[in-house]
Amino acid sequence: AQKVTQAQTEISVVEKEDVTLDCVYETRDTTYYLFWYKQPPSGELVFLIRRNSFDEQNEISGRYSWNFQKSTSSFNFTITASQVVDSAVYFCALPPSGAGSYQLTFGKGTKLSVIP
Amino acid sequence: GAGVSQSPSNKVTEKGKDVELRCDPISGHTALYWYRQSLGQGLEFLIYFQGNSAPDKSGLPSDRFSAERTGGSVSTLTIQRTQQEDSAVYLCASSLRRVETQYFGPGTRLLVL
Repeated sequence: AQKVTQAQTEISVVEKEDVTLDCVYETRDTTYYLFWYKQPPSGELVFLIRRNSFDEQNEISGRYSWNFQKSTSSFNFTITASQVVDSAVYFCALPPSGAGSYQLTFGKGTKLSVIP
Repeated sequence: GAGVSQSPSNKVTEKGKDVELRCDPISGHTALYWYRQSLGQGLEFLIYFQGNSAPDKSGLPSDRFSAERTGGSVSTLTIQRTQQEDSAVYLCASSLRRVETQYFGPGTRLLVL
């Protein structure tokens, strides 16, 4: 069975601080994707990134960066110079795995509050 | 291109009434998913469509819930005889294929009084 663990339930930071959201996963697949989604107060789940397990290079997109470490089964997400608009719940997820599996396996989410 | 759309955005209904929630996926996406998110909770998978067929309906929480997808596009989730515990945000997602990136709609916030 697949599992995603986001140990940080809630994090508060002051604007302009850097913050890292942790994600640890379990899967029996040898190749797989990993995802991060953002859910702002409006409620919509916004896709942020998809990472293939083949590629362990860090990814950077503006103030966002992702550190994928297959050896420790972690896919951490860092926001640099946080802004109030970053306040949201962030979910890490694995895709469906195996026959009869259709849904994303989500972590429980980390609620990030950026204080002005 | 347009993203996933859902209607209505909000729905308030009385206990015992039936409701229909609609999802219009991204054009060309063959896979469509329904999830439910209760207040402060994680996402609960409800049902998946590949084309028009739903291979597995076991995620639906009760026989009051049903879903269909017509023409490989629009999907409707129907809840009969609504109960207060059905109050939640119902999220629809679509993807090109089963393991590809799922893109979510804005959700329908259902409140059963």
